[in-house]
Amino acid sequence: SQQGEEDPQALSIQEGENATMNCSYKTSINNLQWYRQNSGRGLVHLILIRSNEREKHSGRLRVTLDTSKKSSSLLITASRAADTASYFCATDAGTSYDKVIFGPGTSLSVIP
Amino acid sequence: DAGITQSPRHKVTETGTPVTLRCHQTENHRYMYWYRQDPGHGLRLIHYSYGVKDTDKGEVSDGYSVSRSKTEDFLLTLESATSSQTSVYFCAISRYGTSGSDPEQFFGPGTRLTVL
Repeated sequence: SQQGEEDPQALSIQEGENATMNCSYKTSINNLQWYRQNSGRGLVHLILIRSNEREKHSGRLRVTLDTSKKSSSLLITASRAADTASYFCATDAGTSYDKVIFGPGTSLSVIP
Repeated sequence: DAGITQSPRHKVTETGTPVTLRCHQTENHRYMYWYRQDPGHGLRLIHYSYGVKDTDKGEVSDGYSVSRSKTEDFLLTLESATSSQTSVYFCAISRYGTSGSDPEQFFGPGTRLTVL
């Protein structure tokens, strides 16, 4: 079974609005990562948050982590059409950094 | 760009034939991974390698084998392809990125495999 599960599966918003995606996971982790995938392309790393961190920012991205609830959220502020993509959370299993397990992803559509 | 290439980029093959996909990296990274991506499943780890001749299974390794005889190349082989192996295959490496403290994954462009 997958370690991470994103919610919602699909999200459609207007340009300029904020987009929030959530990720839940099952086991303890060392870190949680978010990736973006544009249609037909490989995944691109967006941001990593460590288990001892609660919030992290990178440009228009804000990630929060609640280890007590085993959940994370990715907020994209002031969305743009170019943000249209699938977004995946990924976690290790907490025992090592070697293996990273991805969730099924959230498909984001930003309508101009 | 972590200097990762995959070949071929597209392949159509028949059920029962052997298929080998190649992942090549130019930056001497120790860890390399093979994933498959299917609708509704996200990315699932097939096998990974932590050094030359050192490999381990992922969550969906049945029907796949891997080899790593050189640091730069990680091969994924389907000994006898089946239609259920129709998928997009991604290779990745692990390296320390901007966070500095924990490794991040960097992906190749993918190989689209169709098994008829």
